[in-house]
Amino acid sequence: GAVVSQHPSRVICKSGTSVKIECRSLDFQATTMFWYRQFPKQSLMLMATSNEGSKATYEQGVEKDKFLINHASLTLSTLTVTSAHPEDSSFYICSAPHRAGQGGDLTKTQYFGPGTRLLVL
Amino acid sequence: GENVEQHPSTLSVQEGDSAVIKCTYSDSASNYFPWYKQELGKRPQLIIDIRSNVGEKKDQRIAVTLNKTAKHFSLHITETQPEDSAVYFCAASNQFYFGTGTSLTVIP
Repeated sequence: GAVVSQHPSRVICKSGTSVKIECRSLDFQATTMFWYRQFPKQSLMLMATSNEGSKATYEQGVEKDKFLINHASLTLSTLTVTSAHPEDSSFYICSAPHRAGQGGDLTKTQYFGPGTRLLVL
Repeated sequence: GENVEQHPSTLSVQEGDSAVIKCTYSDSASNYFPWYKQELGKRPQLIIDIRSNVGEKKDQRIAVTLNKTAKHFSLHITETQPEDSAVYFCAASNQFYFGTGTSLTVIP
């Protein structure tokens, strides 16, 4: 099946530094990827939609200058948390849709990366 | 866009009992409804899905029912086991907006 990787899995950084998180589709191409933020035992909050070759689409309330997204290729999207602060500490997870059906079934299943746990001190 | 609501937010059941989680959606054009399970510290994974041309789908102990008229769909887990403890998410059609999640705890 389709595999999505994410790196790093865990990062601890000092307040004010920037952190880059990579999301890769390993065995399929993804023109679109999604970035989520998740708090413990809570839902996945969509932050932005990453589009290959064009600007990302951010959800309301998400600062685009703070969470920089770059979708440089059909298999790689990056999320950079700039000037991170303790309140940015969270679990960040990406996903990529991939068509799992046969024939005329164009339904795409979301495949998730393993997530990145960010702790800002 | 689609708006998905999920209930309950937390659910505790005794091992062996059934668990039901319900989602409602707003866009009548939605035609695909997946359910994801996320174990603690792991990524969400698709466990079952249903398309709008059927009213029910079953896979061993889990089943999903769909009521298009009322615009809601439900996840049913029978004979629950401790390993069913996880957070469950629903989604509708475009799939990138998820329900608020249900934290299920199965008590041994």
